[in-house]
Amino acid sequence: DQQVKQNSPSLSVQEGRISILNCDYTNSMFDYFLWYKKYPAEGPTFLISISSIKDKNEDGRFTVFLNKSAKHLSLHIVPSQPGDSAVYFCAASAWDFGNEKLTFGTGTRLTIIP
Amino acid sequence: DAGVTQSPTHLIKTRGQQVTLRCSPKSGHDTVSWYQQALGQGPQFIFQYYEEEERQRGNFPDRFSGHQFPNYSSELNVNALLLGDSALYLCASSLGRANSPLHFGNGTRLTVT
Repeated sequence: DQQVKQNSPSLSVQEGRISILNCDYTNSMFDYFLWYKKYPAEGPTFLISISSIKDKNEDGRFTVFLNKSAKHLSLHIVPSQPGDSAVYFCAASAWDFGNEKLTFGTGTRLTIIP
Repeated sequence: DAGVTQSPTHLIKTRGQQVTLRCSPKSGHDTVSWYQQALGQGPQFIFQYYEEEERQRGNFPDRFSGHQFPNYSSELNVNALLLGDSALYLCASSLGRANSPLHFGNGTRLTVT
């Protein structure tokens, strides 16, 4: 049972445009959500997070939006740069399950076209 | 400031053998978690260690065991290796408090033949 789903395995975006990566979850106990970026031969790198008490969090070019009623979150990257080409993982955790037990999606490969 | 370091980077083992993977957490971190990432999948939680004890465990069999040392470093042991254990094994460290992001190492690529 995939509790965190990233339904788009890949996404291509022109440099300078907005990249939107989507993630859906099924477990209503999840209360903290994160995005990680992964380059080949490296471990995932933390990008941005959001608590369930918020619906938006911004950090520079990266913004995460959370829609709790739809159990959906998205990551916006504006403007997209070639260095953003990587695999992006959405992850979720729940206080009741222990915050550091992350449940990951299967990832979306983002390619920025120069 | 060294991040999370893992060794070895690559490993090839035969079915039935045992393997030990090692992890040193980021400086200042006291909690270590292990994840398995199969090809084309997201990382899956194996277990977490805090104060030298297993604090949480995912849906992995007892063949997977671990240890945390007083200096917070950690080992992951897998016994009776199966072909399906071939994966990237990721170690992550954190501060052990609520909503503290995990910092991952570059992983150990284990191939079981």
